[in-house]
Amino acid sequence: AQKITQTQPGMFVQEKEAVTLDCTYDTSDPSYGLFWYKQPSSGEMIFLIYQGSYDQQNATEGRYSLNFQKARKSANLVISASQLGDSAMYFCAMREGGGDMRFGAGTRLTVKP
Amino acid sequence: NAGVTQTPKFQVLKTGQSMTLQCAQDMNHEYMSWYRQDPGMGLRLIHYSVGAGITDQGEVPNGYNVSRSTTEDFPLRLLSAAPSQTSVYFCASSYGVTGEQYFGPGTRLTVT
Repeated sequence: AQKITQTQPGMFVQEKEAVTLDCTYDTSDPSYGLFWYKQPSSGEMIFLIYQGSYDQQNATEGRYSLNFQKARKSANLVISASQLGDSAMYFCAMREGGGDMRFGAGTRLTVKP
Repeated sequence: NAGVTQTPKFQVLKTGQSMTLQCAQDMNHEYMSWYRQDPGMGLRLIHYSVGAGITDQGEVPNGYNVSRSTTEDFPLRLLSAAPSQTSVYFCASSYGVTGEQYFGPGTRLTVT
């Protein structure tokens, strides 16, 4: 069963604007973690941000923030002040109590100058 | 620290051949895993290990074997390569079963 859903195959954003990448998840485990990774064209997987299911506040890391809405099972990534170097694939992932991490299909973000 | 290393970076196999993809980490991480990434798709879990001597299957384990004799190494064996196994393979590790995973650079495998 699909546990992580990213409904936006591709997104465009103007340089210096903010963009939101959507992610919804499905789990019955009360303890889980949500992650976002960036994959540039060079292929490596770069960790961006983490949100634990018991965290009360939304996670932030520099220009990245995670809009965590637990009741809606949503974990959207917000990138503020987009830069050309932000153009990449972005993957949402979830880790339940057993430890294995499952990924969504990804969103390709293109930042326009 | 070298982090997570994978060898080889590229490999071409013929159908029916076998090979082992190597993965090693020097961070003393207990948890290690293997993923495959097909074009335009996310990563799918093949096998994982929560510690030396312990392995388990992920979403797409058929055609692959793993073993974990040491904390550092987690090789992935392709028993009889098929064109459907053409993919990019990533190894990852983490300290425990929570928290982010650290990924290796990937191995691009082509089976003809």
